[in-house]
Amino acid sequence: NAGVTQTPKFRVLKTGQSMTLQCAQDMNHEYMYWYRQDPGMGLRLIHYSVGEGTTAKGEVPDGYNVSRLKKQNFLLGLESAAPSQTSVYFCASNPNGPRGQPQHFGDGTRLSIL
Amino acid sequence: TQLLEQSPQFLSIQEGENLTVYCNSSSVFSSLQWYRQEPGEGPVLLVTVVTGGEVKKLKRLTFQFGDARKDSSLHITAAQPGDTGLYLCAGAVPTGKLIFGQGTTLQVKP
Repeated sequence: NAGVTQTPKFRVLKTGQSMTLQCAQDMNHEYMYWYRQDPGMGLRLIHYSVGEGTTAKGEVPDGYNVSRLKKQNFLLGLESAAPSQTSVYFCASNPNGPRGQPQHFGDGTRLSIL
Repeated sequence: TQLLEQSPQFLSIQEGENLTVYCNSSSVFSSLQWYRQEPGEGPVLLVTVVTGGEVKKLKRLTFQFGDARKDSSLHITAAQPGDTGLYLCAGAVPTGKLIFGQGTTLQVKP
């Protein structure tokens, strides 16, 4: 069972470069999420989606964009990377909302911005 | 802004000791989840508590949801080195989001 797959696992960018982080889930889940994890700050929600074709802002959306063109894929884009975006990024999915249902996480993308 | 304060942030104990991790908020959550995360991996769900006052046990781990659904605790009895990891609490809000605490890094020494 693949679950939630994130690519790439590691990436180093220069300030100002752009890139897209990919997330795919094979569980037919409606909800998908992008988080960033920084030391001492837990997981902070960047953007999320409650279904194909929908997106919404989380706690820290600035500098990021997302797209959910297909139900199984949720893409996170950095248009112009900044050092403050150095972090570990996690994608997660959930069948129909978190109440009583676990979020299934990928193994993360470690991103360094120089 | 809804916040979930988790304490302590770091805990280093000897094998066999007991410990409690706390998760507190001024907000009411529809449910609260506890996750455990290993280095290099994503968080994995341990338990979900839904009802105020609910207590759930998972082997040596006991989870409690406060009566008002604003706080929760995780108690580990006779900790083992295999319990080492990052523990995260997360509260569910009606919009379909989870609010995470800062996490507790637990180290259990043999």
